[in-house]
Parts: sequence; C-alpha cells; structure tokens
Amino acid sequence: GESVGLHLPTLSVQEGDNSIINCAYSNSASDYFIWYKQESGKGPQFIIDIRSNMDKRQGQRVTVLLNKTVKHLSLQIAATQPGDSAVYFCAEKDTSYGKLTFGQGTILTVHP
Amino acid sequence: DAGVIQSPRHEVTEMGQEVTLRCKPISGHDYLFWYRQTMMRGLELLIYFNNNVPIDDSGMPEDRFSAKMPNASFSTLKIQPSEPRDSAVYFCASSQRTRNYGYTFGSGTRLTVV
Repeated sequence: GESVGLHLPTLSVQEGDNSIINCAYSNSASDYFIWYKQESGKGPQFIIDIRSNMDKRQGQRVTVLLNKTVKHLSLQIAATQPGDSAVYFCAEKDTSYGKLTFGQGTILTVHP
Repeated sequence: DAGVIQSPRHEVTEMGQEVTLRCKPISGHDYLFWYRQTMMRGLELLIYFNNNVPIDDSGMPEDRFSAKMPNASFSTLKIQPSEPRDSAVYFCASSQRTRNYGYTFGSGTRLTVV
C-alpha cells in the first residue's frame, strides 16, 4: 500500500543551528499533512500541520514546506534547542476517513 | 483537560496470558485510534472507531487481537493469547472530525510478553 517515508533516519545539530527534517510521501490523494514530535517515553505530540492547498506554513520556530510536485514535505526548526531533541514523524491524512499514516521517523539530536 | 488516558503504563505478562489495554479519549472527540509502535515497524494503525463504531480494523495483526468501544469514553484492546512478538508500545489517540489538526495521543502502554 502507499506509505509515507523519511529520507534521513538521524540528524545531529549544534544548539542554535537550524534543522531541516525531510519526508517523502507517495499517496497523491492525501491532502493534509502533520508533523509530530515524540520524546522518550511519551506519545507523539502535534507540532504543525499543512493542507495541500498551501506551500508553506509557519509556527513558533517551526516552518513546514510542502512540495506537491515531488511529494515532499519538510520541517524546519529555527535556533534548535536541546529540548528539541526527539523523534520527528511526518504523517499524511486521508480526510475522507480521518486515518493518519505515519512515516518511519527521524531522530534529531541537539548538542549543547 | 486531562488528555487521552491510557492504562496501564507498563505491562509485563507471560506468553499465553490475556492482556487488556485501556483508553479514555478526550471528551467530545468522536474518533479513537489504536496504534502499535515498534523499532522494526514504526507506528502502525491497528484499528479506529468513529462514534464508537469500528471503521477499519485491517491493521489488526490476527484474531488474537480484538478491540471494543462500549461507549464514547472508553475503549479496550485485548490480546488473547499474548505472544513475545506482541511486545511493543501501544498508543491510543483521539480526534474530532471537525477539527482537522490531527490526533491527541496518550502516553502509551509498554507491553512486554515474556
């Protein structure tokens, strides 16, 4: 079946740097995408979302970019902090059924 | 709002025993999802409910797994008999159909079958 996948399984950055986490998706019918952050011992936590009629959406220190032509999603974190260290998942949603499909995840490690 | 509440947080059981995981969704949410997370397979959707009715159980591994939602505030995931390969973290999540910003996850139940 169709799935969401990530290019980079691990990413290490220095505190204060900007981080970019990438995600490729294959289901062209998906029209809603979400980034989740999962810290050790916790459930995934919503970060930011974007609908397919948008190319970019900004939150607090985070930006999500969507390129529908190449089916690519990215999460940019500005001024990365040690507290940002976690596993980041992209997910796509079939809004007809409310079902989220998750990618494999990227481990972000921020060094002080 | 207490969020999605799962119990127990940790469960260790012997192979062949019955295991029941519990979930209380956020009040007012009309979707409930059960996910399983492992290192090998990531986050897998097992089953989800809408208004207490199972909509898609295609992710349930086999007949040993069953899920129920007797009312809007409670759901169970049961494994009988349990096997070591069922060891994983099981997450419950809930959402509102009309608020399209994804799910709220519980803290998960870490299941170990020995």
